Amino acid sequence: QVQLVQSGAEVKKPGASVKVSCKASGYTFTSYGISWVRQAPGQGLEWMGWISAYNGNTNYAQKLQGRVTMTTDTSTSTAYMELRSLRSDDTAVYYCARAVEWFDPWGQGTLVTVSS
Amino acid sequence: EIVMTQSPATLSVSPGERATLSCRASQSVSSNLAWYQQKPGQAPRLLIYGASTRATGIPARFSGSGSGTEFTLTISSLQSEDFAVYYCQQYNNWPFAFGPGTKVDIK
Repeated sequence: QVQLVQSGAEVKKPGASVKVSCKASGYTFTSYGISWVRQAPGQGLEWMGWISAYNGNTNYAQKLQGRVTMTTDTSTSTAYMELRSLRSDDTAVYYCARAVEWFDPWGQGTLVTVSS
Repeated sequence: EIVMTQSPATLSVSPGERATLSCRASQSVSSNLAWYQQKPGQAPRLLIYGASTRATGIPARFSGSGSGTEFTLTISSLQSEDFAVYYCQQYNNWPFAFGPGTKVDIK
């Protein structure tokens, strides 16, 4: 079955970087994109960006431009999301999702806590 | 940038009753709209794409309608497992914005 498995929870200090991984299985990785979505505690869903697993093209949310980088490793069917210069308001659960245009399925989520 | 709004913010419904959730886009998104269900502590789950097509394994009590700027998700007879938060999302234009969500809780 199609599955996305994300890396474990992270605790980071303000100003640091975090890199979250998302390993795909059960489908041809390069036939789809991967989107990243985050959810701050008690809040709604925020789209962060998208990457094509076919050619690496990306599209990022404007508010994260310059701080976020999405990449893929086709040899291991893994997508990565790196967020730099972390702030306290980056504390959230980060999800990856297989993206056709809609998102299905989703990874289990990775909690990133930014705290001094 | 397209802004998505949802109403109501909270919907209190008794089991077995019908629930109607609304989603509005600030400009036309054609039929490029999806609905997701999220339960506490879980990742969102795709319910509907293309405004009206149920995703694989989604029960027939879930239906979607609309096009352009006005969309509706209907749950015909609420089951206990349907109490959750529901988000709409447009994928017609970058950025692929989500609505703020509608929480369906037990009346």
